[in-house]
Amino acid sequence: DAKTTQPNSMESNEEEPVHLPCNHSTISGTDYIHWYRQLPSQGPEYVIHGLTSNVNNRMASLAIAEDRKSSTLILHRATLRDAAVYYCILGSGNTGKLIFGQGTTLQVKP
Amino acid sequence: GAVVSQHPSRVICKSGTSVKIECRSLDFQATTMFWYRQFPKQSLMLMATSNEGSKATYEQGVEKDKFLINHASLTLSTLTVTSAHPEDSSFYICSAIGTDNTIQPQHFGDGTRLSIL
Repeated sequence: DAKTTQPNSMESNEEEPVHLPCNHSTISGTDYIHWYRQLPSQGPEYVIHGLTSNVNNRMASLAIAEDRKSSTLILHRATLRDAAVYYCILGSGNTGKLIFGQGTTLQVKP
Repeated sequence: GAVVSQHPSRVICKSGTSVKIECRSLDFQATTMFWYRQFPKQSLMLMATSNEGSKATYEQGVEKDKFLINHASLTLSTLTVTSAHPEDSSFYICSAIGTDNTIQPQHFGDGTRLSIL
C-alpha cells in the first residue's frame, strides 16, 4: 500500500484558514486520496476524497497537485470543533481498505 | 447521513472472558465492514475486512482464532475477542461501506473501549 507523510502536529487560530499538507510520492494511478479526522474517543469521520481534480464540500476543500504526489486539505475557517487528528490516506478501489498513518494533530487556539 | 452503531461502547471484564462487539449499519446495507484496533496515542490498525456471507480476510499478524468475525447479514457484523487478556485492552472500531463501490467513504462507529482486568 502506498504511504503518506504528514506533519505530526499543526496549530491554527480560530476563524483562520488551515492548510494541512500530505505527501504521497508513490501514489499509483488508481489511488484515491482520502481525508478523515478523528476527535478524541470517537471513531474517524469522513472529510473529503478526490482522484485528480480539486474537490470542495461543506466541510473542506482538497487541493491535489498536478503530479498527484501531494495534496492539501483546506479548512476555510477553523473552529475549536475542528481540533482533531487528520488522516490523509491513499485508498485502492479494489478492496476499499484504508491503511491509516499517524496523521496530523491539529490544535485550534481561541 | 449514513450511521454505524457499535455496541457496547465500553466493556470491562476479567481475564479469560470472551467479549462480543456488535457493529450495525442503521440506515444502509453494508456489503463490507472493517474492524480496526487503536492503542492509546496511536493510529488505527486495520485488523480484518468482513464481507457479508463470506469469511473475513485478516491482516498479517492478526490471529483469526483470537478475533472471530461474523458478518451474517447486510446490517450486522460482530467481533468476538476470545479468552481476552490484558494485552487485548484497546479501542476497537468498525466501519462500513454501503455498496460494491469501494471508492465511497467509510462510515465509522464510535468505537468500543475494551478493558481487561
